Amino acid sequence: ETGVTQSPTHLIKTRGQQVTLRCSSQSGHNTVSWYQQALGQGPQFIFQYYREEENGRGNFPPRFSGLQFPNYSSELNVNALELDDSALYLCASSLGYGGGGNEQFFGPGTRLTVL
Amino acid sequence: DAKTTQPNSMESNEEEPVHLPCNHSTISGTDYIHWYRQLPSQGPEYVIHGLTSNVNNRMASLAIAEDRKSSTLILHRATLRDAAVYYCIVETSYDKVIFGPGTSLSVIP
Repeated sequence: ETGVTQSPTHLIKTRGQQVTLRCSSQSGHNTVSWYQQALGQGPQFIFQYYREEENGRGNFPPRFSGLQFPNYSSELNVNALELDDSALYLCASSLGYGGGGNEQFFGPGTRLTVL
Repeated sequence: DAKTTQPNSMESNEEEPVHLPCNHSTISGTDYIHWYRQLPSQGPEYVIHGLTSNVNNRMASLAIAEDRKSSTLILHRATLRDAAVYYCIVETSYDKVIFGPGTSLSVIP
């Protein structure tokens, strides 16, 4: 059974650029959630996708967008990067909705630095 | 959204039990309580979850207060590999899992 993988591991961008982060879900999982984790803080929920549809969103602006593909892999896109977007971006997959007591399996994250 | 409060940090001696407390006074009747932990330079890892009854698994036990306003994660014998940040999470809906700042657990050899 393959776990959750994310790419790239590290990324450096400049302010105003756009970035795409990728996530491959654990085999058989149809739900993916994305989180932003600033240094020294807990992960903050960005949004969740269930069967290719956005299923919920946290307090993040529209320049944070996502996609989930038929094979349940996912992308996080961030436009017009700001310095405060520097963080570890985590994706987590689960079977079913993120609710109802389902266990989420996290990837190792992508470290984004915005200069 | 239901919020959780946890101690910023705790210490434990190796091979002793550890009780990590969490308050979630605004929890609703259908909200699950989850615990995750995060080791340095890794993504969070599931530990345990429950709704109303106490739960046990190979990693830990979860004790839930009768009024569900608090819970305690119990590591029966702390090891050095248990040193991590532990997050208590109340899952308020099908689309939001809210992490707090967590408790940083140090294990002393």
